[in-house]
Amino acid sequence: QKEVEQDPGPLSVPEGAIVSLNCTYSNSAFQYFMWYRQYSRKGPELLMYTYSSGNKEDGRFTAQVDKSSKYISLFIRDSQPSDSATYLCAMSHPNNNAGNMLTFGGGTRLMVKP
Amino acid sequence: KAGVTQTPRYLIKTRGQQVTLSCSPISGHRSVSWYQQTPGQGLQFLFEYFSETQRNKGNFPGRFSGRQFSNSRSEMNVSTLELGDSALYLCASSWAGSYNEQFFGPGTRLTVL
Repeated sequence: QKEVEQDPGPLSVPEGAIVSLNCTYSNSAFQYFMWYRQYSRKGPELLMYTYSSGNKEDGRFTAQVDKSSKYISLFIRDSQPSDSATYLCAMSHPNNNAGNMLTFGGGTRLMVKP
Repeated sequence: KAGVTQTPRYLIKTRGQQVTLSCSPISGHRSVSWYQQTPGQGLQFLFEYFSETQRNKGNFPGRFSGRQFSNSRSEMNVSTLELGDSALYLCASSWAGSYNEQFFGPGTRLTVL
């Protein structure tokens, strides 16, 4: 079983819809959580970074962390065709020699149709 | 501010050869991490360098190695290439401390024939 599980999709929604992307994890030591967006043939782009349970909002994006359930979510409001990409969750924990090693989910492919 | 740059962007090699990839981090960033991305395994951590020292290492064979220079630029090397090494190799940089946000470059797409 992978440490971080993410539904691969594809997830297809109409323009303007609210999108919910989710990841579950098994390692309770994870303390830092990130969401990246990756367009085809590009490197991942950091969208959100959080380290506490609860919600964090940035424009149309809201990241939610529930450490008790080992579950994180990314919500996209008023989705646009330009949001069509693969979304990757990533996390890290303090046990790995005080470094920056990220463990990624497999990614969810999102398609927003005009 | 310029982002993370990686060279070359594309490479084609044959089995048994070796390859060196280069990464220049964002100015002021001292940590550089390398990841391998494949359709089957997704994004997997290779290693991280900070102040010219390897700080973390993932579960990859010894054929994969790296180094970091005093200006924080980093290189990774893969020796005795195998077909399964075909992947997108991504470099990420972060400021200095632990658990910082990591910013990725565009990657080097390596094809092994």
